[in-house]
Amino acid sequence: GAVVSQHPSWVICKSGTSVKIECRSLDFQATTMFWYRQFPKQSLMLMATSNEGSKATYEQGVEKDKFLINHASLTLSTLTVTSAHPEDSSFYICSARDTSGGWETQYFGPGTRLLVL
Amino acid sequence: SQQGEEDPQALSIQEGENATMNCSYKTSINNLQWYRQNSGRGLVHLILIRSNEREKHSGRLRVTLDTSKKSSSLLITASRAADTASYFCATDPEAAGNKLTFGGGTRVLVKP
Repeated sequence: GAVVSQHPSWVICKSGTSVKIECRSLDFQATTMFWYRQFPKQSLMLMATSNEGSKATYEQGVEKDKFLINHASLTLSTLTVTSAHPEDSSFYICSARDTSGGWETQYFGPGTRLLVL
Repeated sequence: SQQGEEDPQALSIQEGENATMNCSYKTSINNLQWYRQNSGRGLVHLILIRSNEREKHSGRLRVTLDTSKKSSSLLITASRAADTASYFCATDPEAAGNKLTFGGGTRVLVKP
């Protein structure tokens, strides 16, 4: 099946720094990728939809200046958490939709655990 | 806000028993999908059922969909310890531009 990777898998940073998370579709092209965050023992909450070549679409309540998304190519989307604070600590998961075959299926990355001290 | 609600929130069974979890949703959907998540890991796609389908099987998994009741169920038969994970339903609402909305999840513990 399709593979989506994320890098890094975990990161610890100091409050006030910015952290970039990469999401790559390894064996298919994805014009659309999605970014989710998940708090412990909770469900995934969609943060934004990343569109190749255009601006991301953010869900209500998600600060676009706080969570910068860049979908630079058909296989790469990045999420930058700017000026991170402890409350940004979470598990961030990306997904990509493979439109070549089973377009309805989203493939998820392994997630990135962010801890802000 | 979450579209789906799942119950139970947690389930503990013995190996070999069946596990059933349910998902309810609010709006019309294109399809409903079930995912598994092992602790601290990413999601694994299990099965997709379209709005015009009523039942689907994949190995030891059986999924039903009742669009009139806006509900779905996932049955895992002959459970194994390796089935211990959280299970999430996700709906692909008609009016949401193919964005998945996840339920709260069911944490399943299969005791050996």
